[in-house]
Amino acid sequence: DTAVSQTPKYLVTQMGNDKSIKCEQNLGHDTMYWYKQDSKKFLKIMFSYNNKELIINETVPNRFSPKSPDKAHLNLHINSLELGDSAVYFCASKGDSSISGNTIYFGEGSWLTVV
Amino acid sequence: KNQVEQSPQSLIILEGKNCTLQCNYTVSPFSNLRWYKQDTGRGPVSLTIMTFSENTKSNGRYTATLDADTKQSSLHITASQLSDSASYICVVSPPGAGSYQLTFGKGTKLSVIP
Repeated sequence: DTAVSQTPKYLVTQMGNDKSIKCEQNLGHDTMYWYKQDSKKFLKIMFSYNNKELIINETVPNRFSPKSPDKAHLNLHINSLELGDSAVYFCASKGDSSISGNTIYFGEGSWLTVV
Repeated sequence: KNQVEQSPQSLIILEGKNCTLQCNYTVSPFSNLRWYKQDTGRGPVSLTIMTFSENTKSNGRYTATLDADTKQSSLHITASQLSDSASYICVVSPPGAGSYQLTFGKGTKLSVIP
């Protein structure tokens, strides 16, 4: 069973559109994340959610908004897509370090291309 | 300047050979260092996690070492296999903070050829 699953895997859309990427984890973890990996392969954190509370939001445009309906889900909504938003977006999760250690589990990635 | 530098940027080795990947970091203070393997088109997968007090950690044919004094880590792969072809990413985190403060290296792209 996939621990962290995200959909869609590939998404091609036009500038100005609004799109969402869904993420679900079945590990019972408390914290979920969204990372962006650009063409230079740098992984940069975008959001971190712990028990449905946003605890960090790096300098990400407010066009990006995370939505967490419950502890197992953290969806990423992007409004008014721009060419520079083209990247791979990774969802990840981490449990309580006293129980499951500090390992972060990543999803398979969602390839977003804005044309 | 990135606080986690990896070298080499890319590496090609023959199947069965050993190799060592390097990671230098300037993140200070420092809590733990992780190595991830990222296959092409896939998400990163954790290989090892070492705290500042650990010198070495093994995971099968992967052995990570850490020298907290020189702020260097290495990932040694023995008897390489074609499936080892991937990017290997070094990740460092400071103490007392959530993992949202992880600092990622750019990765070393390893290609194992027959």
